[in-house]
Amino acid sequence: EPEVTQTPSHQVTQMGQEVILRCVPISNHLYFYWYRQILGQKVEFLVSFYNNEISEKSEIFDDQFSVERPDGSNFTLKIRSTKLEDSAMYFCASATGGSDGYTFGSGTRLTVV
Amino acid sequence: AQRVTQPEKLLSVFKGAPVELKCNYSYSGSPELFWYVQYSRQRLQLLLRHISRESIKGFTADLNKGETSFHLKKPFAQEEDSAMYYCALKSPGGSYIPTFGRGTSLIVHP
Repeated sequence: EPEVTQTPSHQVTQMGQEVILRCVPISNHLYFYWYRQILGQKVEFLVSFYNNEISEKSEIFDDQFSVERPDGSNFTLKIRSTKLEDSAMYFCASATGGSDGYTFGSGTRLTVV
Repeated sequence: AQRVTQPEKLLSVFKGAPVELKCNYSYSGSPELFWYVQYSRQRLQLLLRHISRESIKGFTADLNKGETSFHLKKPFAQEEDSAMYYCALKSPGGSYIPTFGRGTSLIVHP
């Protein structure tokens, strides 16, 4: 069964540093998403990406965040200057756009120290 | 605006007992609804979707448009059902952004 792959599984970074979280969506999917889940809290939408551009973003997705699909297979989330409160599990998801739901990656646990 | 409400943060039952995880939604059109499950330290997995009217791992969910609900049910809970359950709504059209409820933690005691 096709999977969404995320790397790394765990990243520790110092406050103020830039991090890039990587995702390889399922190859025939057209819609891509980033979500985050702070420990013990609900899954929160960050951004959706379609046709090589951001289609929607939440209030969380401020100027410190950016996404890119540089080569047609990877889908990256960059945090320019990490803050302590960015510590969370970040999930990538992709979808065909039909009614078959979303496929989530296994997540990257980001710890900002 | 679309919204998904899961009123129970925690649901604790004994093995063999019936389970109902509540989900209510607000959306003006015809939504697509899903249940996702997240076992401890694992990824979110699609459990079932209303459009296919399937039963997965003994769970079922019926869309009730009159009550705007999509409750998840299982007649006899098993210990391995212990997990976080998220109800999600997808609006047709646009970017298909799913909106998640806050999740309900199901604990099934032996």
